[in-house]
Amino acid sequence: AQRVTQPEKLLSVFKGAPVELKCNYSYSGSPELFWYVQYSRQRLQLLLRHISRESIKGFTADLNKGETSFHLKKPFAQEEDSAMYYCALKGDDKIIFGKGTRLHILP
Amino acid sequence: DAMVIQNPRYQVTQFGKPVTLSCSQTLNHNVMYWYQQKSSQAPKLLFHYYDKDFNNEADTPDNFQSRRPNTSFCFLDIRSPGLGDAAMYLCATSRDWGGEQYFGPGTRLTVT
Repeated sequence: AQRVTQPEKLLSVFKGAPVELKCNYSYSGSPELFWYVQYSRQRLQLLLRHISRESIKGFTADLNKGETSFHLKKPFAQEEDSAMYYCALKGDDKIIFGKGTRLHILP
Repeated sequence: DAMVIQNPRYQVTQFGKPVTLSCSQTLNHNVMYWYQQKSSQAPKLLFHYYDKDFNNEADTPDNFQSRRPNTSFCFLDIRSPGLGDAAMYLCATSRDWGGEQYFGPGTRLTVT
């Protein structure tokens, strides 16, 4: 079955500590992976996509086809990173979102 | 400067009473999507339009229909809402199918 799994519903991290939001996928073809973010009282917006291979707001994500993962990482968490993060997969004819992980940065 | 607008932001309808949700965009994007998101769940794609071509997801109930009269507007019609249809409905657009999506703020539908 095609799916996107974000195993953590809530992740609490101290300010300045490293962040890793996990995303695993199951898809038979060659997917494109995305991370979307929703800050408080804002709409869902793209954070980054694997084909861009860029760092946005200090976040990076590497597609690991062997482990079928696309984990989102940041070396030093900031308070403004508190938000809901969704991993999404685009297949040949499918767009699938994960259930999301709420990241809470502790002061 | 809102690029994807959804109206209304909150909609209350009665069980079985047809309801229409509206989405408009100023980006001139080819693709418009409708998602349903229930509490603590993933956004679930219901259907999308690529220009005038309608693409329904296989598991989208027949109760849900959509119209796209022009590039800018797209509507979600729920013919006979049930209690299980209460959810946040998200509209999104992208230049090409599956590319970076720009989301609206959503319409929260309540069914009484």
